[in-house]
Amino acid sequence: EDKVVQSPLSLVVHEGDTVTLNCSYEVTNFRSLLWYKQEKKAPTFLFMLTSSGIEKKSGRLSSILDKKELSSILNITATQTGDSAIYLCAVEGGETSGSRLTFGEGTQLTVNP
Amino acid sequence: GAGVSQSPRYKVAKRGQDVALRCDPISGHVSLFWYQQALGQGPEFLTYFQNEAQLDKSGLPSDRFFAERPEGSVSTLKIQRTQQEDSAVYLCASSPGANVLTFGAGSRLTVL
Repeated sequence: EDKVVQSPLSLVVHEGDTVTLNCSYEVTNFRSLLWYKQEKKAPTFLFMLTSSGIEKKSGRLSSILDKKELSSILNITATQTGDSAIYLCAVEGGETSGSRLTFGEGTQLTVNP
Repeated sequence: GAGVSQSPRYKVAKRGQDVALRCDPISGHVSLFWYQQALGQGPEFLTYFQNEAQLDKSGLPSDRFFAERPEGSVSTLKIQRTQQEDSAVYLCASSPGANVLTFGAGSRLTVL
């Protein structure tokens, strides 16, 4: 059974801090790993990492995929209160075709002013 | 529309009632997914459509859950004889066929 584990489950920081969120996975036929940000509504896409694109960066956010260790990290530098959200890691894989994603529990990030 | 639209946003049902949740995907998106997200958990896969074909329904928790997408666009998730454990947010997502899903805001179901 495919499995995604995120840590920590929750994190409280002050504005300006740098945070690192972790994601490890066990999945058959790995195809990609995705990070989503979920505020009080729909998860919104952040990054997709595959064998051919193991590092992505967008502004203060960056992510790296370590295929050897079956893990990924999401870094956020100079955090802002607007970064407060649940960060979801998901992995695409499995026996069937299509884009079935297996999600972790998420990391609840709270950034205090 | 510009995004994935779900309705109703909130639904309160008495145990034993049937409910129907609707999803309007982004126009032209071939793939449509339903996920169930319990409080404090990540979304869990329920079912997947490619156009009108339901290619994977292995995540549906019981035969009380049924999903359809008869014309390959709008989809309905139906839950019969609701139970308290069905209380969750039901997320619909669509994609043009690639991996990146665009999610709707979800339908929050509370079963009393």
